Amino acid sequence: TQLLEQSPQFLSIQEGENLTVYCNSSSVFSSLQWYRQEPGEGPVLLVTVVTGGEVKKLKRLTFQFGDARKDSSLHITAAQPGDTGLYLCETSGTYKYIFGTGTRLKVLA
Amino acid sequence: KAGVTQTPRYLIKTRGQQVTLSCSPISGHRSVSWYQQTPGQGLQFLFEYFSETQRNKGNFPGRFSGRQFSNSRSEMNVSTLELGDSALYLCASSLSLPGQSYGYTFGSGTRLTVV
Repeated sequence: TQLLEQSPQFLSIQEGENLTVYCNSSSVFSSLQWYRQEPGEGPVLLVTVVTGGEVKKLKRLTFQFGDARKDSSLHITAAQPGDTGLYLCETSGTYKYIFGTGTRLKVLA
Repeated sequence: KAGVTQTPRYLIKTRGQQVTLSCSPISGHRSVSWYQQTPGQGLQFLFEYFSETQRNKGNFPGRFSGRQFSNSRSEMNVSTLELGDSALYLCASSLSLPGQSYGYTFGSGTRLTVV
């Protein structure tokens, strides 16, 4: 069974700092999605990456897909309290319905 | 366009009872998936329906079941509730075709508490 490991598990930073979270697997992804979830709500899709080496930017968020399509990262520049939430990666490989373990981010004002 | 609608938002049930949760997907989305989310286990896949057929199933006991109607609306049922079934149940719809995925749109979930 393909597993998605996310790191770090928890992250607490001050407003204005930069951070990177990671999503790794031993298997190749056909595509990868990143979501953010706020307490009491469902996850919200942020981005889909498909091509190895692909980089996508969404305002202060930069998503990178590894060349071998086995890993991905999410970098946030100048974090704001509104970025607080649970960040999840999800893969659409052979086992389509796998979510990562999640990174819980808290940005302090 | 309207998002994914889940009802009810909150539910309190007693051990041994059964419960039915409802999900209306985004118009045009034929794939509906259900997930259970708990602090300890994270997001765990329950099952997926596509055009009224269960296309995939996670590792949950038979007490968990679901169905999809011709209008793509879906329901999931949990019978003989246990304390450990307390969780946020999330429904997600997608344009996914077999072998492809474009990501999910999730509803806000149903928070089930079993006492």
